[in-house]
Amino acid sequence: EAGVAQSPRYKIIEKRQSVAFWCNPISGHATLYWYQQILGQGPKLLIQFQNNGVVDDSQLPKDRFSAERLKGVDSTLKIQPAKLEDSAVYLCASSFKREGSKNIQYFGAGTRLSVL
Amino acid sequence: AQTVTQSQPEMSVQEAETVTLSCTYDTSESDYYLFWYKQPPSRQMILVIRQEAYKQQNATENRFSVNFQKAAKSFSLKISDSQLGDAAMYFCAYTGNTPLVFGKGTRLSVIA
Repeated sequence: EAGVAQSPRYKIIEKRQSVAFWCNPISGHATLYWYQQILGQGPKLLIQFQNNGVVDDSQLPKDRFSAERLKGVDSTLKIQPAKLEDSAVYLCASSFKREGSKNIQYFGAGTRLSVL
Repeated sequence: AQTVTQSQPEMSVQEAETVTLSCTYDTSESDYYLFWYKQPPSRQMILVIRQEAYKQQNATENRFSVNFQKAAKSFSLKISDSQLGDAAMYFCAYTGNTPLVFGKGTRLSVIA
């Protein structure tokens, strides 16, 4: 079974530029998550989708971050414009269900973003 | 809000020895799940072990086991017969009716 796929693996941009990350979850997983992991910290949830609807985006900086999950499969996370403090690893995860015993989240390898 | 605390930023263990990583959490929920994830330099978070709060029996997965103390809100991970491949960041995580909340992690080094 294929895992969660993410691209690119690395991205270097200058501040105020735009960047987009792509995620393809495990087949059949209805729930998709985007996390931001700043160096030295645990991942922090940015946004959670159930199929193609947003369940939780309370920690997403909506003035610069946006995400979509068209057709309930692939997802894209965008930052526009980027700030220095956005430098982090962006992790995508998916799970069979939102909560309960099936909420085991499987993670991709992440995208390391450096904003100069 | 639920919080997860890992008080050991770094730990080291000799190969073949046993090490215990600590985790405490704070919650008012009665039904929840606790996890330990491993993050090697490749960055991919890998599930190590899972504990359901309503189960009194401690979870075990091969060389990995937990000591779950619900009243004390403690969830420690024991790694037996440590191997070089166990070297990684280890994150404790909690979920109930809320999104997954992670601790800050413990960096484990394994000394040959």
